[in-house]
Amino acid sequence: KAGVTQTPRYLIKTRGQQVTLSCSPISGHRSVSWYQQTPGQGLQFLFEYFSETQRNKGNFPGRFSGRQFSNSRSEMNVSTLELGDSALYLCASSRTGTNSYEQYFGPGTRLTVT
Amino acid sequence: GESVGLHLPTLSVQEGDNSIINCAYSNSASDYFIWYKQESGKGPQFIIDIRSNMDKRQGQRVTVLLNKTVKHLSLQIAATQPGDSAVYFCAENFYKLIFGTGTRLQVFP
Repeated sequence: KAGVTQTPRYLIKTRGQQVTLSCSPISGHRSVSWYQQTPGQGLQFLFEYFSETQRNKGNFPGRFSGRQFSNSRSEMNVSTLELGDSALYLCASSRTGTNSYEQYFGPGTRLTVT
Repeated sequence: GESVGLHLPTLSVQEGDNSIINCAYSNSASDYFIWYKQESGKGPQFIIDIRSNMDKRQGQRVTVLLNKTVKHLSLQIAATQPGDSAVYFCAENFYKLIFGTGTRLQVFP
């Protein structure tokens, strides 16, 4: 079956702009989690959605938000972009959630903020 | 703060040798641990997991060892191959997955 897909794969934005990233989970998976990956901070958890509800949230400012649709596809939005938001944004899907279940990662969206 | 650390940022091994990647985790109550492999340009790929009620788990060419006394996790790769070259992350599950910073494994002929 198809894996997790993320669009776009690459994105260049300028400071102050906003961006929306999309994630389509594996068919049948109801949980989508988002992570930010940077060389300095590694992989950091942003939030998790399950059945259209945010179930868990990491320590990121309110500029980072997300949502999940009824078909389990998810989007994350970053408003008022800062240079430090440049990172690889990964989403991962699982059948039930981040707790004790295999997560399958997408290839990521590489965001560059100039 | 929350942290899962790795002892060695880069590990170089000869093809055919065994590799051992180490990880220290921080939360005694973590109930689940995972090793991921990330190749360049790709997202992390699940390798193997272990629950906190186990000490050892084996997969194909990989073994994960868990020492809860010292909060230490290791990944052993047998007969390391060039295709094993990647960054390896450990992660602990404590309400959410907390990842380590990663160890780069380089395999040379």
